[in-house]
Amino acid sequence: RKEVEQDPGPFNVPEGATVAFNCTYSNSASQSFFWYRQDCRKEPKLLMSVYSSGNEDGRFTAQLNRASQYISLLIRDSKLSDSATYLCVVNMRTGFQKLVFGTGTRLLVSP
Amino acid sequence: DTAVSQTPKYLVTQMGNDKSIKCEQNLGHDTMYWYKQDSKKFLKIMFSYNNKELIINETVPNRFSPKSPDKAHLNLHINSLELGDSAVYFCASSQESYFMSADTQYFGPGTRLTVL
Repeated sequence: RKEVEQDPGPFNVPEGATVAFNCTYSNSASQSFFWYRQDCRKEPKLLMSVYSSGNEDGRFTAQLNRASQYISLLIRDSKLSDSATYLCVVNMRTGFQKLVFGTGTRLLVSP
Repeated sequence: DTAVSQTPKYLVTQMGNDKSIKCEQNLGHDTMYWYKQDSKKFLKIMFSYNNKELIINETVPNRFSPKSPDKAHLNLHINSLELGDSAVYFCASSQESYFMSADTQYFGPGTRLTVL
């Protein structure tokens, strides 16, 4: 079983749609959780951290369910510029980070 | 004023050659990392260094040798290149230290290595 699993997509949605991505992780001792965004042929960039209480940043909402080892990302009112690959990322250790990346979910937003 | 820079951006070479990729960060961070992203877009940690000290060394062939001359630089030297080494190599840095955790890792633009 992969340490971090995501549906690779692609998710094709029209502008203005709401889309949700899910991710599961295998190590119950995982310490912290993130969503990164990667544009085609570019480097990954942090989109948001994910907390057990859930957190929101504008149109983006992230949720963590430690009991189910499940992370989600909701994007409301999709924009063309949201088209990218969204990487679910889990930090596997205390102290210095060891980030384990999912293979990413590709989102295509069309006019 | 690029935060994390890598050179070269593209590297095409023959099997068996030795090559190096350089990474520099001007963010004043103490910790730097090397990642490999293969053809299936799977991004995996290779090494991390804190203030020139090796922290993480994943199961990477010993043909790969990181070198950190100072905390702003983390270079990657690869000996006897193989076809399977073809990938995009990303350098990253973060503020984390023995005394402080950090959420964000800042990635360089990547070096696309092709081994023929």
